[in-house]
Amino acid sequence: GAVVSQHPSRVICKSGTSVKIECRSLDFQATTMFWYRQFPKKSLMLMATSNEGSKATYEQGVEKDKFLINHASLTLSTLTVTSAHPEDSSFYICSPFQGPTEAFFGQGTRLTVV
Amino acid sequence: GENVEQHPSTLSVQEGDSAVIKCTYSDSASNYFPWYKQELGKGPQLIIDIRSNVGEKKDQRIAVTLNKTAKHFSLHITETQPEDSAVYFCAASEGLGNQFYFGTGTSLTVIP
Repeated sequence: GAVVSQHPSRVICKSGTSVKIECRSLDFQATTMFWYRQFPKKSLMLMATSNEGSKATYEQGVEKDKFLINHASLTLSTLTVTSAHPEDSSFYICSPFQGPTEAFFGQGTRLTVV
Repeated sequence: GENVEQHPSTLSVQEGDSAVIKCTYSDSASNYFPWYKQELGKGPQLIIDIRSNVGEKKDQRIAVTLNKTAKHFSLHITETQPEDSAVYFCAASEGLGNQFYFGTGTSLTVIP
């Protein structure tokens, strides 16, 4: 299967600071990147979809100014949680789309905002 | 939009027994149905998938069946082992870069 690298795997930050999460597809080019958020013992909720070189499309209820997504290249996408608050604490997972149907997932990032 | 339901939410089986997880979906346009295994603190890993032009697919101890008419698909794990213990998610997609809709997950515990 495709190799996806997401880091950091865990991060603890202070309330009000920003955190950047990187997602790299190591052996394929991803024109589309999905970013998911997962609460404990819950399913994956799509936050946004980004296409290389264009602005991300955010799902309803997801603040685009808080969750900044950059998909500057076919192998790298970043999610920046700005001015983080404790309620942003969650597990964030990227999923680069390989096509025509399969999606693979990063290892996830456990964000804890204190 | 698509709505994917998954049952049961928790499942415990004895080692060596079979486990079955079922999902239903609502959008007839969905044509790709993957299953993911997620271990604690890790991202989901694709374990098997099926496309709408196939009714059943098997890979060693894992099999998936699809009934497009009834809009449901199932994951079957035979001869379960303790290392099969994890959370399993089903998903549905229209493919071609469209988003995936996930079930709510099934926490499988295989008792040695």
